[in-house]
Amino acid sequence: SYVLTQSPSVSVAPGQTARITCGGNNIGVKSVHWNQQRPGQAPVLVIYHNDARPSGIPDRFSGSKSGNTATLTITRVEAGDEADYYCQVWDNSGEHPSVVFGGGTKLTVL
Amino acid sequence: QVTLRESGPALVKATETLTLTCTFSGLSVSTRGMSVNWVRQPPGKALEWLAIIDWDDDKYYSTSLKTRLSVSRDTSRNQVVLTMTNMGPADTATYYCARTTIGVLGRGGLDIWGQGTMVTVSS
Repeated sequence: SYVLTQSPSVSVAPGQTARITCGGNNIGVKSVHWNQQRPGQAPVLVIYHNDARPSGIPDRFSGSKSGNTATLTITRVEAGDEADYYCQVWDNSGEHPSVVFGGGTKLTVL
Repeated sequence: QVTLRESGPALVKATETLTLTCTFSGLSVSTRGMSVNWVRQPPGKALEWLAIIDWDDDKYYSTSLKTRLSVSRDTSRNQVVLTMTNMGPADTATYYCARTTIGVLGRGGLDIWGQGTMVTVSS
């Protein structure tokens, strides 16, 4: 089955830029989606199809891919950005499509 | 505004069957191109995908749990139902339903989530 790998944690100071990475074999041919989960809350989609932002998501959030790595970039980080971030793809290599999540990255705002 | 809401028992006993309901508001559960997913999250752990039911009633399950899972729709009530048999302590988690859609770029992200429902399995 397909595996997505994320670093467990990232720490940045307010106002700085956070980069959260997601690695996967041949991830370049897949659409990557990113969810933010604040403590005690349900996840929220912040990036879909690699680099598109849903309505209401600040333009401080952006997504990109290079090689076997997708990156969620958060500029001008705020205290409210402190959350767990999960990358997600669809795995169509098996008998049927299935959702695959990365293990999540905890963003700490210092 | 489209919302999803999960409901079901907060506590089940080991070996029992769990039944959870996801109720849609603001959109028909049969809308073409729309799917409903079930995802769970054990306390302090990552998200785990469980199952999906498409608008045309196609159903797919997590490989590791497929023998225990069943998903169905009740279009008259605008609901999707998940059942999981033979519950054990390791199934203690918050269970979410979430929507995805299919477009020109294929299946998208989980763009609308319910608030989740916590299920504890007692041994």
